[in-house]
Amino acid sequence: DAMVIQNPRYQVTQFGKPVTLSCSQTLNHNVMYWYQQKSSQAPKLLFHYYDKDFNNEADTPDNFQSRRPNTSFCFLDIRSPGLGDAAMYLCATRRIDNEQFFGPGTRLTVL
Amino acid sequence: SQQGEEDPQALSIQEGENATMNCSYKTSINNLQWYRQNSGRGLVHLILIRSNEREKHSGRLRVTLDTSKKSSSLLITASRAADTASYFCATDAGGGADGLTFGKGTHLIIQP
Repeated sequence: DAMVIQNPRYQVTQFGKPVTLSCSQTLNHNVMYWYQQKSSQAPKLLFHYYDKDFNNEADTPDNFQSRRPNTSFCFLDIRSPGLGDAAMYLCATRRIDNEQFFGPGTRLTVL
Repeated sequence: SQQGEEDPQALSIQEGENATMNCSYKTSINNLQWYRQNSGRGLVHLILIRSNEREKHSGRLRVTLDTSKKSSSLLITASRAADTASYFCATDAGGGADGLTFGKGTHLIIQP
C-alpha cells in the first residue's frame, strides 16, 4: 500500500541531457517536497508545493525545476544534469504541521 | 545550511545493548522528528516530538527534547541487527508548509 511512489527508482542520464523524475501520492496531502541527498550526506530541501503555490529554496540551482499538475503528482525536472547532480532524490508529502511521508527515492546517475 | 548536528557520526554496538544518539539545533522549532534510513533507501519516520513536549516513547524508542539546550536524544533499547541504519534528526520551524532541516545523521551498526 505505497503512499508516496517515485518512478523510476533508478535513473541513468548523460551529462547535459534533461531528465524528469516523478512522484505521486495517494494521501491527498496538500504539500509535496523534493529533497536532494548526496552520498553520505543529509537530505537537503530543494523546493516544495503548497497546493499550487511553488516555493523555491534560495540556494536551489536554476537547473532544477518542478511541476505539480494536480494534487497527486509532482515532477522534478533537471534541465542540464551535471556530474554533481548525481544523488538520491526524495519526494515527500505531508499535511500541515504533521510528519512528512517519504517515497523510496530515485537514485540518479549522471554519466 | 544544515541546522541539526548529530553525534556520534557513527556508532557500533553489540546486539541487545542500548544505542543513544544526540542531535543539536540552532533555531527555534515547532517540532523535531527522527527518521531512519536503510542503505540506499528512503526515509522512514520514527517519532515526532513537539516543542512543548519533553519526552516521548514509541516501542523501543525513547526521544527527549530540551528546548533550552536546543538538543534532542534518541534512545533505542535492546538493539537488534535490523536496527542497523542511518538515523537523522530533522527540525520543523513551524512555518506551515516549510520543509525539514536535517542533521548529518548517525550511522548505527548493530553487531550480531
